Amino acid sequence: AQRVTQPEKLLSVFKGAPVELKCNYSYSGSPELFWYVQYSRQRLQLLLRHISRESIKGFTADLNKGETSFHLKKPFAQEEDSAMYYCAFRSYNTDKLIFGTGTRLQVFP
Amino acid sequence: EPEVTQTPSHQVTQMGQEVILRCVPISNHLYFYWYRQILGQKVEFLVSFYNNEISEKSEIFDDQFSVERPDGSNFTLKIRSTKLEDSAMYFCASSKKTETQYFGPGTRLLVL
Repeated sequence: AQRVTQPEKLLSVFKGAPVELKCNYSYSGSPELFWYVQYSRQRLQLLLRHISRESIKGFTADLNKGETSFHLKKPFAQEEDSAMYYCAFRSYNTDKLIFGTGTRLQVFP
Repeated sequence: EPEVTQTPSHQVTQMGQEVILRCVPISNHLYFYWYRQILGQKVEFLVSFYNNEISEKSEIFDDQFSVERPDGSNFTLKIRSTKLEDSAMYFCASSKKTETQYFGPGTRLLVL
C-alpha cells in the first residue's frame, strides 16, 4: 500500500539549531514528494516539491529512492519556523496526495 | 495572490442532516479536490474533479457524499445524511494539471 510515514509527532529545537524532519514513503514506482507547512491558524501551504529542487525559507529536501526518504532539513532554525509540517506523496498515475500524519516543529528562543 | 476560499469556516449540524460545504477555487485552475482531516489524524483524500466529473475518489467518498460545480466558480461538497464520524476539517484544493495543489483554509464540521 502507498503510505507516508512521519515518525516524529513533535520536534523541539532551540533557535539556530539544525532541524531534520523525517519522511519515509512506501511505493515501488517513481513518486512525487512534497512538503506542506501549516502555520498556526493558517491554511496548508506548499513548502517545496522534490522535482523543483528549490530551497524555500532555507529548507531543503532530497529524495533518496534507495532509502525511500524525503527528509526536510534546515541548518539554522528560526522561531518563525514553528508550525506543523506534512510530508505528502503522489504517484504518477493519480492526482491525489497522500499525507503523513505531520510533525509539529517548535523552535524555542 | 489568488487563493482558494471556503465557506462557512465552521458548521455545526445535527446527525442525519444534510450539509453543503462551499469552495471557490483559483479562477484559472481546472482540477478540484476535497480532503478531510479528522481531529488528530492525517489529511485524507476524498475526491478529485475535472471537466465536470469525478476523476478519482477514495473509499471514504461513499454514496452519502457528492460534489458539484454548479455555476462555473463554486465547487461544493454535499453530505446527504451526516454521521458523527463525519466531524472533521474539510479542505478544498485546486490546481492546474499535475502541479501544486493550493488549499483553502478549511471548514470545520461538527456533527452532534
